Amino acid sequence: ETGVTQTPRHLVMGMTNKKSLKCEQHLGHNAMYWYKQSAKKPLELMFVYSLEERVENNSVPSRFSPECPNSSHLFLHLHTLQPEDSALYLCASSQESGVNSPLHFGNGTRLTVT
Amino acid sequence: AQSVAQPEDQVNVAEGNPLTVKCTYSVSGNPYLFWYVQYPNRGLQFLLKYITGDNLVKGSYGFEAEFNKSQTSFHLKKPSALVSDSALYFCAVRDRDTGRRALTFGSGTRLQVQP
Repeated sequence: ETGVTQTPRHLVMGMTNKKSLKCEQHLGHNAMYWYKQSAKKPLELMFVYSLEERVENNSVPSRFSPECPNSSHLFLHLHTLQPEDSALYLCASSQESGVNSPLHFGNGTRLTVT
Repeated sequence: AQSVAQPEDQVNVAEGNPLTVKCTYSVSGNPYLFWYVQYPNRGLQFLLKYITGDNLVKGSYGFEAEFNKSQTSFHLKKPSALVSDSALYFCAVRDRDTGRRALTFGSGTRLQVQP
């Protein structure tokens, strides 16, 4: 069983809705990530948080807004999304002190924008 | 900049035969290299990594990968494939000299092992 839990597993939302994705890690890690996975495309890094501070933001549209209230929790707030934002959103965590430590992923949230 | 190429969308192999999933990378410095596997409706799971030292790296479930610096490759291999190995495989790289934290992933290769 993964040490990274994502909720909800599935989400369908209209373009005018506001929703949030939640990620919680139980591994004692201090870095957390959001990735977007679309079919037949490389995983796209969206945001990186280290010690609760955002350290990378890869030109993600402002309709995606991350929040990291503590080292165990990460949120992705969504508003006025587009159909092309439909994808699997993956949360991951790692131990910051080990630069080559592997990422641990959650099972993802399958988002459909209608 | 760091990037990864997985040239095959899908690899088909018969059970019991050896398998290879190809990966090439590009970094400005020296690489940390990783392989992950994704089963249906699941997140990615770590398989193995190359940091330094021996070019042949052994990982989970009998998989191994060979780092080749001159060819900038890090191909994933297994001597005898199992049907349960059927999944989506991702190669990833981090440039150890830039200090960037996040991994860059390839587009994935679907491995299909036929009974």
